[in-house]
Amino acid sequence: DTAVSQTPKYLVTQMGNDKSIKCEQNLGHDTMYWYKQDSKKFLKIMFSYNNKELIINETVPNRFSPKSPDKAHLNLHINSLELGDSAVYFCASSHLGDNQPQHFGDGTRLSIL
Amino acid sequence: GENVEQHPSTLSVQEGDSAVIKCTYSDSASNYFPWYKQELGKRPQLIIDIRSNVGEKKDQRIAVTLNKTAKHFSLHITETQPEDSAVYFCAANAGNQFYFGTGTSLTVIP
Repeated sequence: DTAVSQTPKYLVTQMGNDKSIKCEQNLGHDTMYWYKQDSKKFLKIMFSYNNKELIINETVPNRFSPKSPDKAHLNLHINSLELGDSAVYFCASSHLGDNQPQHFGDGTRLSIL
Repeated sequence: GENVEQHPSTLSVQEGDSAVIKCTYSDSASNYFPWYKQELGKRPQLIIDIRSNVGEKKDQRIAVTLNKTAKHFSLHITETQPEDSAVYFCAANAGNQFYFGTGTSLTVIP
């Protein structure tokens, strides 16, 4: 009964490839997020969607494109992968504006060769 | 926008001692402050939170205090145990967004 599930858990690929990470939540939340956690453990917000609409888009290269087919899913597609994209990517979800916490997925460890 | 600062970045304590992690924020509109614990290779998990209408909240060995005037909040862990070793993140919620501190790596020495 995983609340926020991400796939895959590990992703090893070569520079220049295109890859996707999927995220699904079964908590009934209306807002979903993508975070990047680098080797220094900083949690950096990338995107946030509320009811399938983009509400936060931080300074992220346009090689990263989120897609939300419905409010329970937020996928992340990355084009032309670069070495600096190596990190752990976390999906999270919450209710917007309710002073409720975010719930995180288990993360996807992306390694670029 | 909001700016959350967290100190210290690393903290080592002897088992049984207390640990305190402090965060400051800049946006007076922030009204919700969760704390997350992240064990090695795992996801951040909520351990305690506090809303802006409350000054202190306690849950067993963990407590959080909030000073809205000074715009700072702190996590207190008493009687630390080796399983408390992890990275701890504070966060401030302002509007649509959560702003995270840079994390504190806590090591509890047996």
